[in-house]
Amino acid sequence: DTAVSQTPKYLVTQMGNDKSIKCEQNLGHDTMYWYKQDSKKFLKIMFSYNNKELIINETVPNRFSPKSPDKAHLNLHINSLELGDSAVYFCASSPRTSGTYEQYFGPGTRLTVT
Amino acid sequence: RKEVEQDPGPFNVPEGATVAFNCTYSNSASQSFFWYRQDCRKEPKLLMSVYSSGNEDGRFTAQLNRASQYISLLIRDSKLSDSATYLCVVNRRGSQGNLIFGKGTKLSVKP
Repeated sequence: DTAVSQTPKYLVTQMGNDKSIKCEQNLGHDTMYWYKQDSKKFLKIMFSYNNKELIINETVPNRFSPKSPDKAHLNLHINSLELGDSAVYFCASSPRTSGTYEQYFGPGTRLTVT
Repeated sequence: RKEVEQDPGPFNVPEGATVAFNCTYSNSASQSFFWYRQDCRKEPKLLMSVYSSGNEDGRFTAQLNRASQYISLLIRDSKLSDSATYLCVVNRRGSQGNLIFGKGTKLSVKP
């Protein structure tokens, strides 16, 4: 009965590879997010989708491409991985797009690029 | 100036102590404020929202001073289980859910 789930939990890969992270929420929420938490522990939003529509796209390299096949899923595809992409990536969801709502986070995907 | 600033700590306190965390934010138009808690190698979880009049949830009290753009969290009677990083979170007005997270203050409660 996990609310927000992500796969894989750990991902170790080499520079230049392409990888995907999957996220699913069973909370019936309309809005989903991707965050990046780097080694300095800053948690920064990358993307937000509302009902499969992109609504927030922060300054993120275009090597990162989110895809939302339906409102319960938001996947993140990363092309040509670089060392600086190593971080923990969190998926989150909230009932609405308003910033007044609690965001529920997945357990995170720890990406290591070698 | 960072959008949300917090003292990184760590705060090392004995069980039963009272500890206070402070946070400042730069966007005076921000409208929603939260404290999240993040345990080591875990995801952030909402601890409490922060309301203009101040609010309390058990041992936790949150205060907001809009004029000073300052948010605080007070933990009374600290427990070992309170050990975590506490994240101050502010929404960016008009951003449709865009939350800005502070770097967090690490708390370690010792027996």
